[in-house]
Amino acid sequence: AQSVTQLDSQVPVFEEAPVELRCNYSSSVSVYLFWYVQYPNQGLQLLLKYLSGSTLVKGINGFEAEFNKSQTSFHLRKPSVHISDTAEYFCAVSSSGSARQLTFGSGTQLTVLP
Amino acid sequence: GAGVSQTPSNKVTEKGKYVELRCDPISGHTALYWYRQSLGQGPEFLIYFQGTGAADDSGLPNDRFFAVRPEGSVSTLKIQRTERGDSAVYLCASSPVAGGVGEQYFGPGTRLTVT
Repeated sequence: AQSVTQLDSQVPVFEEAPVELRCNYSSSVSVYLFWYVQYPNQGLQLLLKYLSGSTLVKGINGFEAEFNKSQTSFHLRKPSVHISDTAEYFCAVSSSGSARQLTFGSGTQLTVLP
Repeated sequence: GAGVSQTPSNKVTEKGKYVELRCDPISGHTALYWYRQSLGQGPEFLIYFQGTGAADDSGLPNDRFFAVRPEGSVSTLKIQRTERGDSAVYLCASSPVAGGVGEQYFGPGTRLTVT
């Protein structure tokens, strides 16, 4: 069985400051890792994904994440946030099984303050 | 191009009633998923279709929940004898490759409220 833990339910940060949203996962098999963003009243949008290869993954809107196998982490970072980054962020893991359904964390609400 | 669409966007029903939620995946996507998102939680997997067949329904909470995809495109999630605990946002996602590397495209969801 897989699980995802997002350690912070809410992260307030001032505009133009850096931010890190933390994600840890557990799985007995190799996994694929994802970050999704959900803006108010909108569907989930893929930010970035790790499938294999380089452990540093770059996504849309200036976000990046680093896969750390030894620490079973996949933290999301952005060096300078904007007001428009205010949203709910979900970390997810997909097993290598045939269905590859996603197991999500409970989400982190990022609020960017002026 | 058109994304995943879901109808209705909102559904209010009384306890004990039957509801149907519809999902139109991205054209050509063979894999289709249903998830349920309760307030303050991440989405939880319900069922996965590969083509017309339900390849994995291990996430359905009980036998009141059922889903079909008769022609391998549109899918309908059906809930019988609704309960207040069924209130949630129901999300549909599609993927272009059979069980392919998990990149899923999500619809906006149907918010179901059972009164």
